[in-house]
Amino acid sequence: QQQVKQSPQSLIVQKGGISIINCAYENTAFDYFPWYQQFPGKGPALLIAIRPDVSEKKEGRFTISFNKSAKQFSLHIMDSQPGDSATYFCAASTGTASKLTFGTGTRLQVTL
Amino acid sequence: DTGVSQNPRHKITKRGQNVTFRCDPISEHNRLYWYRQTLGQGPEFLTYFQNEAQLEKSRLLSDRFSAERPKGSFSTLEIQRTEQGDSAMYLCASSPRQGYYGYTFGSGTRLTVV
Repeated sequence: QQQVKQSPQSLIVQKGGISIINCAYENTAFDYFPWYQQFPGKGPALLIAIRPDVSEKKEGRFTISFNKSAKQFSLHIMDSQPGDSATYFCAASTGTASKLTFGTGTRLQVTL
Repeated sequence: DTGVSQNPRHKITKRGQNVTFRCDPISEHNRLYWYRQTLGQGPEFLTYFQNEAQLEKSRLLSDRFSAERPKGSFSTLEIQRTEQGDSAMYLCASSPRQGYYGYTFGSGTRLTVV
């Protein structure tokens, strides 16, 4: 049972453009939504996270938008750079359980 | 280095052999997690510990898999009688305590069963 659906599977964006990755969840008990960035041969690294009491969170060039009624959240990467080329995973959990359920990942390529 | 350390980084084993992986979490983190990641997929939860207590195991964790965290410090994940389907990246992560905290992942152990 896939509880977190992520799209697109892959994304190519020009340098300076905006990268947008979307996720949808089913479990209404989820109340913590982090995004992770993973480079080849490395473990995922936490980028940014949001809780459902806010609709948007911004950290530098990274923004999470959250729509609780639609059970959807998205990652926006502004002014995308070649160094952002990586695989991005959305995830969800309940705070008390802390067990993360991950999406299937989006492979982002930022071209010059 | 205060990150999560995993050893070995790579392991090639013959089908039917037993393998053991080690994870050293960030020292002040009392929660430790094991995940498995196959190519092109997100990490899948296997099990987690709070201190030395194993609090939850996934149904993915068959009887051939066992994990321990003696004394609440490092953890080991053992796979007995390995199968080709066990080939994956095994990731360890730690977090400070219960609540809304992101994990810190290690770089993983890549297992190849031939």
